[in-house]
Amino acid sequence: AQKITQTQPGMFVQEKEAVTLDCTYDTSDPSYGLFWYKQPSSGEMIFLIYQGSYDQQNATEGRYSLNFQKARKSANLVISASQLGDSAMYFCAMREGDRDDKIIFGKGTRLHILP
Amino acid sequence: DGGITQSPKYLFRKEGQNVTLSCEQNLNHDAMYWYRQDPGQGLRLIYYSQIVNDFQKGDIAEGYSVSREKKESFPLTVTSAQKNPTAFYLCASSITLTRTEAFFGQGTRLTVV
Repeated sequence: AQKITQTQPGMFVQEKEAVTLDCTYDTSDPSYGLFWYKQPSSGEMIFLIYQGSYDQQNATEGRYSLNFQKARKSANLVISASQLGDSAMYFCAMREGDRDDKIIFGKGTRLHILP
Repeated sequence: DGGITQSPKYLFRKEGQNVTLSCEQNLNHDAMYWYRQDPGQGLRLIYYSQIVNDFQKGDIAEGYSVSREKKESFPLTVTSAQKNPTAFYLCASSITLTRTEAFFGQGTRLTVV
């Protein structure tokens, strides 16, 4: 069963607008971590932001913020003031529990920023 | 500089041959991972290892094998039993048993002809 779901295969957004990339997850473990990565066309994986299940506040890193809604099992990435360089694939990922290092990824969303 | 090195960047093999992809890290991480990426499929976990001489199957381990004889190295062998081996392979490492991010190598694009 899919544990990380990204429902938007592709998105087109005008430069300077804010964009929200959706991610829902499924776990019964109370302890978990959620990650977002960016993958440009070069193929490298760039870590963007992390949210722990026990964190009281939503994570923020510069123009990136994570809209964490625990009851809905949702961890959406928000990019403010989008730039042309934000065009890339974006992946949501999860690491469950405190005794296993397994990290699983969603299928990704391809974001296109339009000039 | 610390990081993860995957080699080679591009690899071509004939169908029916086994091929080994290299992954080395100097980050002193205990956990290491192999992912396969196909268009529209995201990253799918092949194998992961939390400690030397131990590893666990991921979601798509069939047709692959790994070893973890040294902390720094986690080579992946794509065997002839893997039906569709052509893909982009990513290796990663992380600090174990913490909810910190994984660091990735640059990837190896394997093409089987």
